Amino acid sequence: DTAVSQTPKYLVTQMGNDKSIKCEQNLGHDTMYWYKQDSKKFLKIMFSYNNKELIINETVPNRFSPKSPDKAHLNLHINSLELGDSAVYFCASSTSSGRVTDTQYFGPGTRLTVL
Amino acid sequence: DAKTTQPNSMESNEEEPVHLPCNHSTISGTDYIHWYRQLPSQGPEYVIHGLTSNVNNRMASLAIAEDRKSSTLILHRATLRDAAVYYCILRDDYNTGKLIFGQGTTLQVKP
Repeated sequence: DTAVSQTPKYLVTQMGNDKSIKCEQNLGHDTMYWYKQDSKKFLKIMFSYNNKELIINETVPNRFSPKSPDKAHLNLHINSLELGDSAVYFCASSTSSGRVTDTQYFGPGTRLTVL
Repeated sequence: DAKTTQPNSMESNEEEPVHLPCNHSTISGTDYIHWYRQLPSQGPEYVIHGLTSNVNNRMASLAIAEDRKSSTLILHRATLRDAAVYYCILRDDYNTGKLIFGQGTTLQVKP
């Protein structure tokens, strides 16, 4: 059983479109995250939710909107896609937010290509 | 956020030990040292973490300098599957759980 899963694995779309990436974790964790890895391989936090409540919102354009229908799911919706949004997006989860000894479990990533 | 410095890349031979260094000279007393790695085309995975004492687990060992300004991740017998980018990350009570990734060290393992 995959602990953290993401769909789709690959997403190719045109500029200006709206798309969503879904994430589910079956670990019973309370906290979920979205990270972005750009073409230079730098990984950066975007958002974090704890029990469906937004707790981290880095300086991300408001075209990106996370939605957490329940604590096992954290979806990422992106409006008006731009070329610079092309990246690999990773979802992660952990038992809590902010506890320094917590381990984060990452999904396999979604490679988004905007043409 | 306290910063870490790692070599861009390292090479190792298969079945030999690998020592991956990390400098964190501005570490504070409450910062934990975490290591994650990212295998090719996969998400990052947790390797090990520690505060002051050396730590061992089934994947690796973490040796922390007495002044805590540096640490070393030790893979006791590198395998081809250990080829990955290794990230040394400092975490404190105030970072609300986010992991701040640097450039990491790309480890190549030669057969």
